[in-house]
This record gives sequence, C-alpha cells and structure tokens, in this order.
Amino acid sequence: EVQLVETGGGLVQPGRSLKLSCVASGFTFNNYWMSWTRQAPGKGLEWVASITNSGGSTYYPDSVKGRFTISRDNAQNTLYLQMNSLRSEDTATYYCTRDESYFDYWGQGVMVTVSS
Amino acid sequence: DIQMTQSPPSLSASLGDKVTITCQASQNINKYIAWYQQKPGKAPGLLIHYTSTLVSGIPSRFSGSGSGRDYSFSISNVESEDIASYYCLQYDNSPRTFGGGTKLELK
Repeated sequence: EVQLVETGGGLVQPGRSLKLSCVASGFTFNNYWMSWTRQAPGKGLEWVASITNSGGSTYYPDSVKGRFTISRDNAQNTLYLQMNSLRSEDTATYYCTRDESYFDYWGQGVMVTVSS
Repeated sequence: DIQMTQSPPSLSASLGDKVTITCQASQNINKYIAWYQQKPGKAPGLLIHYTSTLVSGIPSRFSGSGSGRDYSFSISNVESEDIASYYCLQYDNSPRTFGGGTKLELK
C-alpha cells in the first residue's frame, strides 16, 4: 500500500523559513518523480514543485520559484520542501504527491500558516 | 499557463441523479486531464486520468469524456458517499493547473 506521510508544518512569521518532509513507503521511491501541491484554506489546488526520480532536475511555478526548493533522499525514501521568504499567501495545506504527470497518490497533508 | 475553467462551482443533486461537471481548457490539452474527488478535511483522491481511464477500484458510475479544449466528468446514480468537491487537472503542459472545483451537495 502506497503511503506518503508529511511532517514539518506549523506557524511561521512572514519572511522566515520552514522545511517540510514526506516519508514514502509501499513503492519503489527512486522510480518515481515526486511533487508538492498545496491548497489555501477554502480554496483550490495549486502545484508547487516537482523533482525527477534521480533528483537531477526540479521544476517550479513562478509563484514560488527562487523561494522554494524541492529535494529528495532516495536512500531514506524521503522528499523535502525547503520554503524560504515565506509570505501570507503561502498559508495552505501542503500535500506530498507521487507524480505520474498526474498526481496519483497524495499524503494526508500538513498545514503551514504564515502569520505574525 | 493553461487556464482550466470548471463549471458549475456548485451543484445540488438528489440521490440517484446523474450530474455532469465540465472543464474547458484555454488551449488544446490533448486529453491529458485527470479528475479528483476531495471530501472535507481529506486529501484529494484520483478518480480518472487521460480523460476517461478509471482508476482501479473506482465505481463505474464515474466517467469522463472529451477532447481538444472541452472535457466533462459525470456521476450516474449519485450516492451519498459521492458528496464531495471535484477538481480537474490538466497535465499536458507545465505548469500543471487545476480547475477551480465543483462542490456537490445533496438536494
């Protein structure tokens, strides 16, 4: 059974940093691209970052480019999202997703609140 | 970026009804559309990919169709467990983009 478990969320002040982690199990982690997708409270879904199975390439939308960094440790079956220079508009539930071009498995999500 | 215009934003249905949700892309997405169901407080779950390919274990009352810019998602014989929000996703082009969502409620 595929499982994705995110940790690391919380309350952070604007301009500060936070790092999310996602531990994967139930599949061969290093065979798959992985992504992060987020959902602001009461709002829709937004893709945030993707990484190739080797970790050699990463992709971001303009809204987070230069501030967020996705990375992975294939030995530990773990995906990361380093979020710097956080803004109030980054407040959302962040989901770790397995990436088959579409997102076929999702974690339970972790809440990030950016507020002073 | 490809814009996905999803309608209606909300939908009221009776048990046993057939409901249809549409997504129109701002350009041809070559059938690369997926549909998700999200229940309150839960993560989205994949129902359909590549326009009409049903994920294993998903009931056959869910279906998808379309081509070019225009796509639809239907639920025949709505059941109480189908009350949720639904989202489309285009994955033809980066950045991948979602529709705004449709909230399905019971009449």
